[in-house]
Amino acid sequence: QSALTQPASVSGSPGQSITISCTGTSSDVGGYNYVSWYQQHPGKAPKLMIYEVSNRPSGVPDRFSGSKSGNTASLTISGLQAEDEADYYCSSYTSSSIPYVFGTGTKVTVL
Amino acid sequence: EVQLVESGGGLVQPGGSLRLSCAASGFTFSSYDMHWVRQATGKGLEWVSAIGTAGDTYYPGSVKGRFTISRENAKNSLYLQMNSLRAGDTAVYYCARDPGLGNDWYFDLWGRGTLVTVSS
Repeated sequence: QSALTQPASVSGSPGQSITISCTGTSSDVGGYNYVSWYQQHPGKAPKLMIYEVSNRPSGVPDRFSGSKSGNTASLTISGLQAEDEADYYCSSYTSSSIPYVFGTGTKVTVL
Repeated sequence: EVQLVESGGGLVQPGGSLRLSCAASGFTFSSYDMHWVRQATGKGLEWVSAIGTAGDTYYPGSVKGRFTISRENAKNSLYLQMNSLRAGDTAVYYCARDPGLGNDWYFDLWGRGTLVTVSS
């Protein structure tokens, strides 16, 4: 089972919106509503931003939103802020031999 | 305070063994599935193992047969016994709490990680 595919980098100016894609297969992203997203700042542990495709944990700004279409999930950050500069990883349950897989990761740069 | 604190990392020779621990506090540890996730320097996240509240365990092929996850609810502790270690196992190892049900795995609480270095 390969990692889910994410763009290596995405950038945007403060206040803009950006979208990070996460492409899998019908065995993972497309087959279940079990996609989650994590934010990781350098040297820090990951932080849960989205679970079950589009749910936000308490304390996560509503600027962060998640969605899914077919085998591709997306994380959108609206009103981009400097503190949003970080690495982002998607993840999903998978019916393959490995029950859980992360995405390749996307570095978000705020210009 | 709700937290997870890993320990036990260090330098080990190829073929050696190491046991990681994760101490949980501030929540009912026995009620949660728990996981280990690792990250090699400059690389992405890799799921390593999971243990359910009933003690059921799961592993990816890369560590199956070499790593063993366990838990001791009376001590609010999670463990990862790592045997036959390889250079490719070098990474920061995080323990993580999973509040999901069934196949709905996601991690809402992470420790700060412990570094494992496999080198001669």
